[in-house]
Amino acid sequence: QVQLVESGGGVVQPGGSLRLSCAASGFTFSSYGMLWVRQASGKGLEWVAHVRSDGSSKYYADSVKGRFTISRDNSKNTLYLQMDSLRPEDTAVYYCAKGRWLADYWGQGTLVTVSS
Amino acid sequence: DIVMTQTPLSLSVTPGQPASISCKSSQSLLHTDGKTYLSWYLQKPGQSPQVLIYEVSNRFSGVPDRFSGSGSGTDFTLKISRVEAEDVGVYYCMQTLQLPDSFGQGTKLEIK
Repeated sequence: QVQLVESGGGVVQPGGSLRLSCAASGFTFSSYGMLWVRQASGKGLEWVAHVRSDGSSKYYADSVKGRFTISRDNSKNTLYLQMDSLRPEDTAVYYCAKGRWLADYWGQGTLVTVSS
Repeated sequence: DIVMTQTPLSLSVTPGQPASISCKSSQSLLHTDGKTYLSWYLQKPGQSPQVLIYEVSNRFSGVPDRFSGSGSGTDFTLKISRVEAEDVGVYYCMQTLQLPDSFGQGTKLEIK
């Protein structure tokens, strides 16, 4: 069965960095685009970034462009989100999800808190 | 960017009664491949979102047939024929036609 397990969340000061990981299993990871979606407490879902199956193309929300970097290691079946220059408004649960045309499986999420 | 607008933002439904949620996109979600990339998700309390419907009207594996989707172009609807207690949560529509993908604001369903 498909499993996506996020890790790497935590508390970080404004301006700091954090790297999230998403370990995938139960499907051919290298065949699917992957994305990150975040959700601030009590708020809706916000698309953050997408990477193609082979890692050749990456797309970002304007709110994170230039600060976040999505990447993947198909040999390790793992998706990453490098988050730099973090701001308080980046505080949210971050979900990884599988797919380009349909985000059909989601992880359980990892909480990122940006606070001094 | 494509803007997704859901209505209503909340609804309270008696078990056994129907419910309907509307989702409108700022531009057509019809792809040149003939498919329309509009999907529906339910986020139950304390859980990750789970897909209900994809490409407007296709139920995802394991989704009860009381859930149905319809629409075309820019106007879409999710219907629950008979609401059950387990259907509580927030429903989101999502477009994946054009990056950046985008979600509706969410519709909170509660049981009366």
